[in-house]
Amino acid sequence: SQTIHQWPATLVQPVGSPLSLECTVEGTSNPNLYWYRQAAGRGLQLLFYSVGIGQISSEVPQNLSASRPQDRQFILSSKKLLLSDSGFYLCAWTPWQGASAKNIQYFGAGTRLSVL
Amino acid sequence: KQEVTQIPAALSVPEGENLVLNCSFTDSAIYNLQWFRQDPGKGLTSLLLIQSSQREQTSGRLNASLDKSSGRSTLYIAASQPGDSATYLCAVNSGYSTLTFGKGTMLLVSP
Repeated sequence: SQTIHQWPATLVQPVGSPLSLECTVEGTSNPNLYWYRQAAGRGLQLLFYSVGIGQISSEVPQNLSASRPQDRQFILSSKKLLLSDSGFYLCAWTPWQGASAKNIQYFGAGTRLSVL
Repeated sequence: KQEVTQIPAALSVPEGENLVLNCSFTDSAIYNLQWFRQDPGKGLTSLLLIQSSQREQTSGRLNASLDKSSGRSTLYIAASQPGDSATYLCAVNSGYSTLTFGKGTMLLVSP
């Protein structure tokens, strides 16, 4: 069966420090991968998605970047965190089916990031 | 740009009541619509997925409908239980499974 792992579960970082959040998927190959952020009082917002190794699409301009060094690994990074980067970050995956992907999207348990 | 709205933002009902959660979206060119449940501080759990060609999907006490032309979906929960208390999120897939979410309906079912 497929599983998705995210870590760490919680993180407290000072403003200006770097960030690296990792997400890995097991039990599947060539998944579509996604990073979302849920900020207080706002809905879930798609940040990045990837349809293959090294292929990253950014949905919103921001202080963050994403990378996919391996087929089932998705990393969210920042060189210098801002206060506004605080939030709940969720990684998700879906089986690859191109543009017409019709499968359920599966989410990780999330990382609670507090930037102080 | 796709926008998803969920009404109501919060709902409190006594146990046993049937209830309806509403979701509307502005662009009807979607591949599918998905309903999720989120418990406090947790990730999302998929409840139902409706393809754009379908009108409804059922799972246990849950029934979701989709009217793509009018940009609306409803989630019907029958005989609500305290364990149903959570935030319910609606999301539309506009391609490559990139989901646009509503802000959710926070449901509280009291015993």
